[in-house]
Amino acid sequence: DIQLTQSPSFLSASVGDRVTITCRASQGISSYLAWYQQKPGKAPQVLIYAASTLQSGVPSRFSGSGSGTEFTLRISSLQPEDFATYYCQQFGTYPITFGQGTRLEIK
Amino acid sequence: QVQLQESGPGLVKPSETLSLTCTVSGGSMNTYYWSWIRQPPGGGLEWIGYIYSSGSTNYNPSLKSRVTMSVDTSKNHFSLTLSSVTAADTAMYYCASGRGHESGDNVFAYWGQGTPVTVSS
Repeated sequence: DIQLTQSPSFLSASVGDRVTITCRASQGISSYLAWYQQKPGKAPQVLIYAASTLQSGVPSRFSGSGSGTEFTLRISSLQPEDFATYYCQQFGTYPITFGQGTRLEIK
Repeated sequence: QVQLQESGPGLVKPSETLSLTCTVSGGSMNTYYWSWIRQPPGGGLEWIGYIYSSGSTNYNPSLKSRVTMSVDTSKNHFSLTLSSVTAADTAMYYCASGRGHESGDNVFAYWGQGTPVTVSS
């Protein structure tokens, strides 16, 4: 299985901050990576796919980059509704796997 | 807009079989892949497997010996059974699909709301 390791696991930030979350894959996955946001009691929602493509309807303050084994999710200016848990997911090799999650909380 | 809705018992006894159904509305199931994903309380996401509309399947090896999925496209639903459950199977269970997403059905653009399952006697 491909292991995805996110860092940090926990992040405390303020509204307006720029934040970066990293996802490292245990082997190369080209650009077969997606990012999801999950709020308490809700299903995850896809933000980014193919490592850097913004899902329709997602605000442009979200961006993704990377390929191979290292990937990054950036939020350019945190809004109150962005405080949530973020997961990366690889879909290039079965079984599909997810990172352990990064919980983003308000400072 | 495609919508997914899980249904099934919320409580299952240890060693018994968990059975869930996902009903798809707002579009056809044909030619798409349909997945089950679970999330234990306070934990991360685990892909259980998928079923294609034709009935072919791909299961996570970690669960493969206990998982069976089926599909009935005429009724617009697909199902999950997980046998010999233990407390470790307690989780929120989601059905999900990309259903024609440009990067494929394994980018999960559509999710059910989730159904909680507790394994306890």
